Amino acid sequence: GESVGLHLPTLSVQEGDNSIINCAYSNSASDYFIWYKQESGKGPQFIIDIRSNMDKRQGQRVTVLLNKTVKHLSLQIAATQPGDSAVYFCAENIDNQGGKLIFGQGTELSVKP
Amino acid sequence: KAGVTQTPRYLIKTRGQQVTLSCSPISGHRSVSWYQQTPGQGLQFLFEYFSETQRNKGNFPGRFSGRQFSNSRSEMNVSTLELGDSALYLCASSLHPSGGRVTDTQYFGPGTRLTVL
Repeated sequence: GESVGLHLPTLSVQEGDNSIINCAYSNSASDYFIWYKQESGKGPQFIIDIRSNMDKRQGQRVTVLLNKTVKHLSLQIAATQPGDSAVYFCAENIDNQGGKLIFGQGTELSVKP
Repeated sequence: KAGVTQTPRYLIKTRGQQVTLSCSPISGHRSVSWYQQTPGQGLQFLFEYFSETQRNKGNFPGRFSGRQFSNSRSEMNVSTLELGDSALYLCASSLHPSGGRVTDTQYFGPGTRLTVL
């Protein structure tokens, strides 16, 4: 069935280093992808999104890369800070399914000071 | 601009009871989606509403229902609660669903933590 999965459930990085969080998706019909950050006790917070007609998009300290050939999505966080510690989810959407988002299982990012 | 608000934030119910959760979208947003989050199943889509109509539905039993009002506020209801319904219920709003190929960004509320005893 359709699924969005993450390669690593946990990621520990040193403050100041760059972080890369990976995500695999299985549905080639997906055309919209989003990264969310969820801190303990809070709802998911939008970070960045990308549509299937792009392969890279940059935000403030974050970059999302999309490789449609291998159905892979990644989130790069530059100069990781303690405040970046959270669980990160990728989600995919297929436009003919309206606003339904299919979420990955999440990767917990831990930033060591 | 205020974000998505959900009430109540915490709720404790017993098996067999029913519960209603409320969501107020970001001002101007017309679409509301609901998700269930559990440690075992992660984030799963429940349903989506736009213009008071259910536009999409996930794979949940009929005990889970929802509705949307003319001001875009939404409620979801779970009847005959089971222990497995204990979860964080999240509401997300977006500006509007496009009928074409573009999906709008969904912004989430803080969730309602439901515990079923």
